Amino acid sequence: EAQVTQNPRYLITVTGKKLTVTCSQNMNHEYMSWYRQDPGLGLRQIYYSMNVEVTDKGDVPEGYKVSRKEKRNFPLILESPSPNQTSLYFCASSADRNSYEQYFGPGTRLTVT
Amino acid sequence: GEDVEQSLFLSVREGDSSVINCTYTDSSSTYLYWYKQEPGAGLQLLTYIFSNMDMKQDQRLTVLLNKKDKHLSLRIADTQTGDSAIYFCAERTSGGYQKVTFGTGTKLQVIP
Repeated sequence: EAQVTQNPRYLITVTGKKLTVTCSQNMNHEYMSWYRQDPGLGLRQIYYSMNVEVTDKGDVPEGYKVSRKEKRNFPLILESPSPNQTSLYFCASSADRNSYEQYFGPGTRLTVT
Repeated sequence: GEDVEQSLFLSVREGDSSVINCTYTDSSSTYLYWYKQEPGAGLQLLTYIFSNMDMKQDQRLTVLLNKKDKHLSLRIADTQTGDSAIYFCAERTSGGYQKVTFGTGTKLQVIP
């Protein structure tokens, strides 16, 4: 089954404790992206990647890092999480940068205390 | 820059039509989308329309695009309780990569 998976689905952590949210797709997609969803703000793009070893900042990249060492994986790293990073995070992928459809993962709900 | 706006909430009775509205600012939009998010789930693409089209119909869904006013709407005919969800409008702008800007989302509540 074609899908985008994220782990963990739920995470509660404390300020300053490094964490990684994994994202994996099995569709051989070139383009992958991370979004955060906050009430009243919709989805905002954090980082995106057009292919292996090619990443760039989205609209709200501060406090986040990403890597793209393999085509299928695009982890989101929070080196020193803060409470304002409490949010719902979505990973998405599409075949390439011109493809009209993005496929979304199920989301990761992160709480930073 | 790009900006996409939607009202936050809509309540309709089961069997009625729902109309969810969206406005956007970027005149270089190539595609406009409607995504559905059910509770606890990710976003699912419902339908999309090319920017050179005025209307697209897909079963119970009708998308209307007024490019002059930069206004997009989604009409759901015969709304069912299973249509209760958050609906996101999104625009894709032309340019070097796939920049998609999402609206704030409209929560549709269907009253039985």
